[in-house]
This record gives sequence, C-alpha cells and structure tokens, in this order.
Amino acid sequence: GAGVSQTPSNKVTEKGKYVELRCDPISGHTALYWYRQSLGQGPEFLIYFQGTGAADDSGLPNDRFFAVRPEGSVSTLKIQRTERGDSAVYLCASSTGTHLTGELFFGEGSRLTVL
Amino acid sequence: SQKIEQNSEALNIQEGKTATLTCNYTNYSPAYLQWYRQDPGRGPVFLLLIRENEKEKRKERLKVTFDTTLKQSLFHITASQPADSATYLCAPYNQGGKLIFGQGTELSVKP
Repeated sequence: GAGVSQTPSNKVTEKGKYVELRCDPISGHTALYWYRQSLGQGPEFLIYFQGTGAADDSGLPNDRFFAVRPEGSVSTLKIQRTERGDSAVYLCASSTGTHLTGELFFGEGSRLTVL
Repeated sequence: SQKIEQNSEALNIQEGKTATLTCNYTNYSPAYLQWYRQDPGRGPVFLLLIRENEKEKRKERLKVTFDTTLKQSLFHITASQPADSATYLCAPYNQGGKLIFGQGTELSVKP
C-alpha cells in the first residue's frame, strides 16, 4: 500500500507558538519512530513507539516536545512554545517491529521553520 | 557515550570507479548495522543490513563489510554512476529498538 505519510510537508510558525506534526505509518507496522534532521547532519533520534506506548523517549530534547500514538497507528509530534532552534526537518519512520530485519521506512519529512 | 563517525568530507569520484565509505562506532556492540541512502529533500531509503555474525553482504553493485573487532563498517559501490550521487547514512542497531544514525557522507560521482 502507500508509504509513510507526513503532514504538513512545510510549516512556518512564530517563536512561542504551538505546532503539531502528523505521521501516518504503513498499515500494519507496529513500530514508529520520530527523528529530527538539521542541515548537513544525520537524523537525530527523538522517540520510538511500539504499538501505543513510547518504548524509548530518551531523544526528546526537553519537556516542550511530546508525542502520542493513541491507537497504535497515526502519531502526532507536539511542540510547545517553539524556539528558533527547533527549526529542522522532522522525519517519521515505521517498521514491522521485528528485529530480524529492522528496516525503517521513512516519510518525506515535515520541514519546520520557526521565525 | 555512544558515537558514530562517518567521513565528514564529501567524497568525489569518477564514474566507473569504486566508492568506499567508512562508518566507525565506539561504545557500541551492535547486533546489526544498516546503511541508508538519502537524496536532497527526501527521507532516507534502506539499502542493506548486515548482522554481527556476517563479515560481508552484497546486493547488486553494493557491498558492505562489518568488522566487530575494529568497530567499523565499510560500504562499497562498484562501477559507480552519477545516479549514485547522494548522502549515505550508517546506523548501528543496539538492543532496545532504536536506530541511531551517523551524520552521513555525501558522495558525488562525476561523469
């Protein structure tokens, strides 16, 4: 079926505003990941879900960042009181959740610009 | 702390030559390691996975090696083509489910 879908593809906001980024994973994929990527850098891990629960949220930079996946499918990354340093491409990926292959399927990302 | 290092400088090679990219890691004992390709403005795309008990893995013009003693993986593209130009990311996998990426190496293949 369809690949990983992320919306919006681009988001421009002002410092201090609240932002939500959505990820629609491949159907049936139990694992979902959020990464952040700055120009010239590799993807930086933020949080990983296995089903509905956050299995590892050690990459979230501070308590302004929060992610949910209430029904084990779609996930939303929420950023409160945005700062200019939050500007980056936010990537979502999903996988089958088994560790035999571990291949991640990425979306095209949501580019966030904080003015 | 865990660290992944890839060639920070861009790699420029001539079409038809073999490109070799390096991934070194420290304070890690990955069960396997993955390589991804990323084109500008796109998400990374999976290329190959190699497990700790495998020394070498091949897929068409791609070859990956994994040396757990040296804590290094090498990624080779033989008979390189301009279409191979992209950024290549390595990602060692540790227990716990999360995949951590290196900063990537940009490859440019000139005709």
